[in-house]
Amino acid sequence: QVQLQESGPGLVKPSQTLSLTCTVSGGSISSGYYYWNWIRQPAGKGLEWIGRIYTSGSTDYNPSLKSRVTISVDTSKNQFSLKLSSVTAADTAVYYCAREPPGYHYYMDVWGKGTTVTVSS
Amino acid sequence: EIVLTQSPGTLSLSPGERATLSCRASQSVSSNYLAWYQQKPGQAPRLLIYGASSRATGIPDRFSGSGSGTDFTLTISRLEPEDFAVYYCQQYGSSPLYTFGQGTKLEIK
Repeated sequence: QVQLQESGPGLVKPSQTLSLTCTVSGGSISSGYYYWNWIRQPAGKGLEWIGRIYTSGSTDYNPSLKSRVTISVDTSKNQFSLKLSSVTAADTAVYYCAREPPGYHYYMDVWGKGTTVTVSS
Repeated sequence: EIVLTQSPGTLSLSPGERATLSCRASQSVSSNYLAWYQQKPGQAPRLLIYGASSRATGIPDRFSGSGSGTDFTLTISRLEPEDFAVYYCQQYGSSPLYTFGQGTKLEIK
């Protein structure tokens, strides 16, 4: 059974770059034609999709964050990563990674537990 | 951008009652692209329904989804204590690729 686990610094200074990694266990990130997504949730608020990557390396980003976001994949480590530059307090949130299965329906079926990132000096 | 509006914001019901949650889209959404999630405090969202009406693996049959076009509904036929949570609808399609509703909090009356 595939599991996802986010990791990275819990505190980032304003204007710096937030870097998170999602480690996939229980299966290969390269198999099954999945997309791998990042979603965030500020405390007490709703969910915001950040972007996704296919194992070929092709990416899609939320236009509201596109200028600051980079998602990459490292198949040798079975991981994919998120970088968000020039962060402000508005980027403080719980960050989730999630798997999107192939097919005609579009949804995320496996989620990591989430990691809290606070932007503060 | 397709905006999803969920109603009500908060729903207060008792165990054993029926819950009906609404998700309205600002533009037509393909039924294939509409999903529902449940989120409990301190936990990640959990997929309940995809394709507007297909239950995800392991989801009890008291959960059902319906709807088309701009109006979608999640129904919980008989509420169990563990069903009290926040529920989100999600659509895929236009830019941004994924958007979520603002959530409906289902609380114990």
